[in-house]
Amino acid sequence: QSVLTQPPSASGTPGQRVTISCSGSSSNIGSNLVYWYQQLPGTAPKLLIYRNNQRPSGVPDRFSGSKSGTSASLAISGLRSEDEAAYYCASWDDSLRGVGFGGGTKLTVL
Amino acid sequence: EVQLVESGGGLVQPGGSLRLSCAASDFTFSDYAMQWVRQAPGKGLEHISTISSNGVGTYYADSVKGRFTISRDNSKNTLYLQMGSLRADDMAVYYCATLGVATGLGDFDYWGRGTLVTVSS
Repeated sequence: QSVLTQPPSASGTPGQRVTISCSGSSSNIGSNLVYWYQQLPGTAPKLLIYRNNQRPSGVPDRFSGSKSGTSASLAISGLRSEDEAAYYCASWDDSLRGVGFGGGTKLTVL
Repeated sequence: EVQLVESGGGLVQPGGSLRLSCAASDFTFSDYAMQWVRQAPGKGLEHISTISSNGVGTYYADSVKGRFTISRDNSKNTLYLQMGSLRADDMAVYYCATLGVATGLGDFDYWGRGTLVTVSS
C-alpha cells in the first residue's frame, strides 16, 4: 500500500495533453512539497518536477506540475512516444518522517 | 557530473545477509544526506533509509527497521547498507540517491543505476 495514491495507468495519443493525479493527506502533500519522477523501462528514476512545479534543467516545458490542498497533478502536453514511462509522485511525510511515494502511473502513448 | 554507483547485490538465501555499497563522485559527499530506495520487481518505489551528512542521524522504514543498518564513510565517499535477516519480500533493485524530496535541496536529486538483490533458496 503506497503512501500516495496514483492511477495505475494512463494513456494518450501523440500530441495530446495527459494529466496524472496524486492524492495524499495533510501529513504529506498537504504540508510538504511534491516531486515527480519519470522512470523509463530498465532505468533509474529521473527527477521531472521538484518543489511542486519547478522543472530541472533539461526537462522540456511540456511537463508541468501543480498542487492544491492534499492533491497534486502532473501534466504532459504535446505527448510524444518517448514519454511512455512510469511516473511517480513523492512527498515528505511528517508522520512517517520519511518520503512517501505514489504507486506509479504507467503512461502508454497509443 | 554527479555519479552514484551501487555494488554488492546478488543472490542470498532467506535469513542471510548482504552489504551494499554506493560509491559517490563529483560532489562533496560529506555535505549531503543520502538515501536508499528500493523497487521490488514490477512494483513501485519505497524509501527505506536515510543517513545524515555526518552519519549521526538515521531513518528506517518500518519494513526494514531492526534488520538493516545504513552507514557511510565520508573519507571514502561511500554509502553502505548492511542487510540482515533477509526475506523474500526484500528482493528488489536497491538504489542509492540524493533525494531532493528528502533533503529539501530541490533539484540536487541523483540516483545510481541500482543493484539487484535476489532472496531465494
